[in-house]
Amino acid sequence: GAVVSQHPSRVICKSGTSVKIECRSLDFQATTMFWYRQFPKQSLMLMATSNEGSKATYEQGVEKDKFLINHASLTLSTLTVTSAHPEDSSFYICSARDLGGQETQYFGPGTRLLVL
Amino acid sequence: AQSVTQPDIHITVSEGASLELRCNYSYGATPYLFWYVQSPGQGLQLLLKYFSGDTLVQGIKGFEAEFKRSQSSFNLRKPSVHWSDAAEYFCAVGVNTGFQKLVFGTGTRLLVSP
Repeated sequence: GAVVSQHPSRVICKSGTSVKIECRSLDFQATTMFWYRQFPKQSLMLMATSNEGSKATYEQGVEKDKFLINHASLTLSTLTVTSAHPEDSSFYICSARDLGGQETQYFGPGTRLLVL
Repeated sequence: AQSVTQPDIHITVSEGASLELRCNYSYGATPYLFWYVQSPGQGLQLLLKYFSGDTLVQGIKGFEAEFKRSQSSFNLRKPSVHWSDAAEYFCAVGVNTGFQKLVFGTGTRLLVSP
């Protein structure tokens, strides 16, 4: 139980294009999902918190117009990196909070983004 | 501000030997504490968590952790390490900001030698 998937697992795009990453909770409902960014050999940095049916809450320093988050259902949140640039290349990981699971976050396998 | 410190960037342990990974946290309220493991290029897998009650918690894969409030610590232990345990380990504290968000430590890379 408590499986979270991400799609795609890996994406390469040209500078200036937009990329959408999907995060799905497969066997539970998640009113809250989280988006993290991880640089090589570093820890996870929370980018934003996504709540179903409402606007996302962004961490300080994260551009909300660049990283668009949509949480349209209890099992799906999407992160769109708009007008991507090489410095956006990173490992993006989502997590979903299980309502019945005592405030535990379950993580997806991550998406490796490379912007050329 | 809330923070998590993992003082060891990397640790090497012989297969079959015992393991202890250190974690210290700073948080004003009663903490929710977690240990996650990450294999290369993968997401994070929950090993164990502490919310309340017994301060010694058991997790998956033979791991355990002990919450010590007086030392603000939540160290992870395993009595006998297997080569498959080689990975990055993250300690995290849950911070309640209206919703629960996680603050992660910088991680400890575990290397297992034959």
